[in-house]
Amino acid sequence: DAKTTQPNSMESNEEEPVHLPCNHSTISGTDYIHWYRQLPSQGPEYVIHGLTSNVNNRMASLAIAEDRKSSTLILHRATLRDAAVYYCILSQGAQKLVFGQGTRLTINP
Amino acid sequence: GAVVSQHPSRVICKSGTSVKIECRSLDFQATTMFWYRQFPKKSLMLMATSNEGSKATYEQGVEKDKFLINHASLTLSTLTVTSAHPEDSSFYICSASRVRLNQPQHFGDGTRLSIL
Repeated sequence: DAKTTQPNSMESNEEEPVHLPCNHSTISGTDYIHWYRQLPSQGPEYVIHGLTSNVNNRMASLAIAEDRKSSTLILHRATLRDAAVYYCILSQGAQKLVFGQGTRLTINP
Repeated sequence: GAVVSQHPSRVICKSGTSVKIECRSLDFQATTMFWYRQFPKKSLMLMATSNEGSKATYEQGVEKDKFLINHASLTLSTLTVTSAHPEDSSFYICSASRVRLNQPQHFGDGTRLSIL
């Protein structure tokens, strides 16, 4: 499975944008970039995914580098409820997800 | 609303007991479901892939006789932890996705298993 690299932790302030980076230098042409987040004592929650083009949804935006070797999850205006562990995962279709350590995001009021 | 339901959410039982955890897809059929385990402060670790109508595929190091998986219908997979011991205490999570290509995984809320 292609691996991703994320910072262990990040901190931001409420109502400010947050940019969560992910490196995936060994990504293959058919790998989709998925982001999930996990709040304490809950199962992971899907955030967004994309292949080559940048993607937007109601939760976040995903910016994908032109060479696809890195991507950034953007939370446009963080709230306290966005505090979670964010996982960047490469996946092909409805296959098993291999979770790394993710980025623990802390939001300061 | 939730599209994958997991039950029970918490179990506390004595050592030697067998515990069954259910995972249901609520508004779609799932030929494949996944079971994960998560220890405190750690990431999710895939245990097995549950295949409807056939045997589950277990990840390396996961005992298939210890963790029995049954996927008898397109909306239900069960994980039974047999003869549970304190080291089996963990957070167990299931997931499923719609069959179409590159649909996201939907996760249950997890089952907190505590073996005394």
